[in-house]
Amino acid sequence: DVKLVESGGGLVKPGGSLKLSCAASGFTFSSYTMSWVRQTPEKRLEWVATISSAGSYTYYPDSVKGRFTISRDNAKNTLYLQMSSLKSEDTAMYYCTRDYYYGSRYYFDCWGQGTTLTVSS
Amino acid sequence: DIVLTQSPASLAVSLGQRATISCKASQSVDYDGDSYMNWYQQKPGQPPKLLIYAASNLESGIPARFSGSGSGTDFTLNIHPVEEEDAATYYCQQSNEDPYTFGGGTKLEIK
Repeated sequence: DVKLVESGGGLVKPGGSLKLSCAASGFTFSSYTMSWVRQTPEKRLEWVATISSAGSYTYYPDSVKGRFTISRDNAKNTLYLQMSSLKSEDTAMYYCTRDYYYGSRYYFDCWGQGTTLTVSS
Repeated sequence: DIVLTQSPASLAVSLGQRATISCKASQSVDYDGDSYMNWYQQKPGQPPKLLIYAASNLESGIPARFSGSGSGTDFTLNIHPVEEEDAATYYCQQSNEDPYTFGGGTKLEIK
């Protein structure tokens, strides 16, 4: 079975940094594009970052570009999200997702249970 | 960015009846003959779960009472017949254009 387990969430002060991890198992991790999606306390879902299977390409929305960095270690089957210059609006549950390719686009076919980030002074 | 507007925000449907949820995109999510609209179900305390991808394709393991339709800017998720376990919040999401965006969600209550 596909399993995605996030870790690393916590309470951080505004302007601080944090690194999230996602341990993957049950599939060939190195063959899949992976993403992070967050859900705010108001339950709004927001795409945060995507990385290609080999890690060569990364994509971000403007809201986190320059502050967040997605990376992966295919030898360790682990996805990461380095977050810096954190703001209160980054407070959310962060989900790791596996991206499945269909046609010429992707969708999020598997989700982890999430890890919570709270940005507050 | 493509804005996805879901309606209604909430609905209550009797057991065995049909639930219909609409998702309207601010611009087309079609490309090369496919419509890149996806639907997810989320129950309290759980992550979202993929139901439908590319507008009308049922994800493996999802009951056939779930169906999706639409193209361009107008999409619909239907659930028929509704069961108790379908009580959840449903989200549409477009993957045609960066940034990927989600609708605001529709909460389904079973009467």
